[in-house]
Amino acid sequence: EPEVTQTPSHQVTQMGQEVILRCVPISNHLYFYWYRQILGQKVEFLVSFYNNEISEKSEIFDDQFSVERPDGSNFTLKIRSTKLEDSAMYFCASSETRDVYTGELFFGEGSRLTVL
Amino acid sequence: LAKTTQPISMDSYEGQEVNITCSHNNIATNDYITWYQQFPSQGPRFIIQGYKTKVTNEVASLFIPADRKSSTLSLPRVSLSDTAVYYCLVAYNNNDMRFGAGTRLTVKP
Repeated sequence: EPEVTQTPSHQVTQMGQEVILRCVPISNHLYFYWYRQILGQKVEFLVSFYNNEISEKSEIFDDQFSVERPDGSNFTLKIRSTKLEDSAMYFCASSETRDVYTGELFFGEGSRLTVL
Repeated sequence: LAKTTQPISMDSYEGQEVNITCSHNNIATNDYITWYQQFPSQGPRFIIQGYKTKVTNEVASLFIPADRKSSTLSLPRVSLSDTAVYYCLVAYNNNDMRFGAGTRLTVKP
C-alpha cells in the first residue's frame, strides 16, 4: 500500500537553529499538507500546498515557516529559527484531490522535533 | 468552519459495540463528515466518511440523522487494539480539515 514517508523521525535542535523536515507524499497525489501536534494536544493545521504554491495557511504558519517542493517527490517544511514552543510532532499528509469526498488525507508517521 | 463537539473520553470492554457521537450544529450544506483514528505517536488514519443516512465499511458504521447536526461512529466488537483517539471532522475541502480535541477511547480486557 502506498504511504507518505517522513524524515527524520526525530530531530533534536538548539533554539534559534534552522530545521528542515522532509516528506515524500504518495506519488500520484497533488495536494500536500503539514500539521503539527504538541504533546498531549490536538492535531493543528499548518499549511496546504498545491501546484507549487501555498493554498491556505493557519495563523500558526508565520514568517518563520516555509514550505517547498524542490523536486518531483519531496515536500519540505522549513522552520527558520526554532523556538522552544516549536517542539512538537509534525505530520505531513497528501491527497489526490482537494475535495473531502474524493480526497482522503493520508498522513505520514510524523517527525518529532525537540527544541532545547 | 463547522465546529465539532465530542466526548473527551470513553471506556469500553473487549467485544462491546462502541458508539461515539459528534455534534456539529452549524454544518454547511456541502460539508461531509469524516472520522479519523490516531494511535499514539502515529499520524491520523481515515476510518469512514459520510454525508447523510448510514455508511458502513469493513471497520465501522457512520449514522447521520436527517438534520445532519450530529453523527455517530459505531465500532462493532472492539478489541484492545482499538484503543486510540477518534476525531470527527466536518468540511467540504481538505483545506478546511481542522481537528478538534477528539475522543480518547480506552478498551479494557
